[in-house]
Amino acid sequence: EAQVTQNPRYLITVTGKKLTVTCSQNMNHEYMSWYRQDPGLGLRQIYYSMNVEVTDKGDVPEGYKVSRKEKRNFPLILESPSPNQTSLYFCASSSSRDEKAFFGQGTRLTVV
Amino acid sequence: SQKIEQNSEALNIQEGKTATLTCNYTNYSPAYLQWYRQDPGRGPVFLLLIRENEKEKRKERLKVTFDTTLKQSLFHITASQPADSATYLCALPGAGSYQLTFGKGTKLSVIP
Repeated sequence: EAQVTQNPRYLITVTGKKLTVTCSQNMNHEYMSWYRQDPGLGLRQIYYSMNVEVTDKGDVPEGYKVSRKEKRNFPLILESPSPNQTSLYFCASSSSRDEKAFFGQGTRLTVV
Repeated sequence: SQKIEQNSEALNIQEGKTATLTCNYTNYSPAYLQWYRQDPGRGPVFLLLIRENEKEKRKERLKVTFDTTLKQSLFHITASQPADSATYLCALPGAGSYQLTFGKGTKLSVIP
C-alpha cells in the first residue's frame, strides 16, 4: 500500500531537548516536504526536498533542519525546540512538486 | 510570494444542495492548482488538479474551474452529503521555486 509514515504520532517534550520526527515513503517519490498546521494559519511549508541531497527552505524554516540522504526518508530535526513550535506537523511526498501529494498521518508536537 | 485566499472559513449548506468554495490568488498565475480534503486531525487527501489550460475538471460529484483572468478557482460539490463535511484546501505552486503553498481552507458542514 502506498503510504507516507511519520513517527511519532504524538510527542511531548521540554524546551531545548533535541528531537527528530521521521518520515518515510514507499512510492519512490522524488519530492518530499514538511508542513506545520496551526489554527488560523493553515498549512505552512517548512522545508522541501526535490531529490536526494537537494533541500530548500519553505515559508517557515526557522528553528528546523532537514536532511535527505536517502530517497525514501526525510527527517525533520528540531535542534532546540521552543514552545512556539508546538504544532501539528505533516510530511508529504509526490513524484514531483507538480503532482498530487500524499500526506502522512501527522505528528502532534507539544513543547513545554 | 503568492497570496491565497479561500472565500470563507466556514460554509454551511443543506444536504442535497451544491456547495461552492472559492480560491483566489494574487500575483502571478500558477501553471496549475490543486484541491485537497482534510478531516480533523488527519493529513490532507488529494482530490483534483486543474492546469492553466483547462477551464474545468470533473470527478464524480466534484467539479473544479480555473479562471486565470479572475485569478480564481471554484470548487463545487453537487448533491452534497453529510459525509462531505470537511475542510477543503487549495494549493498552488510557487513562482521560480519548488514550493507548494496552501490556502487556509474552508470548513464545509453539510446539514442533514
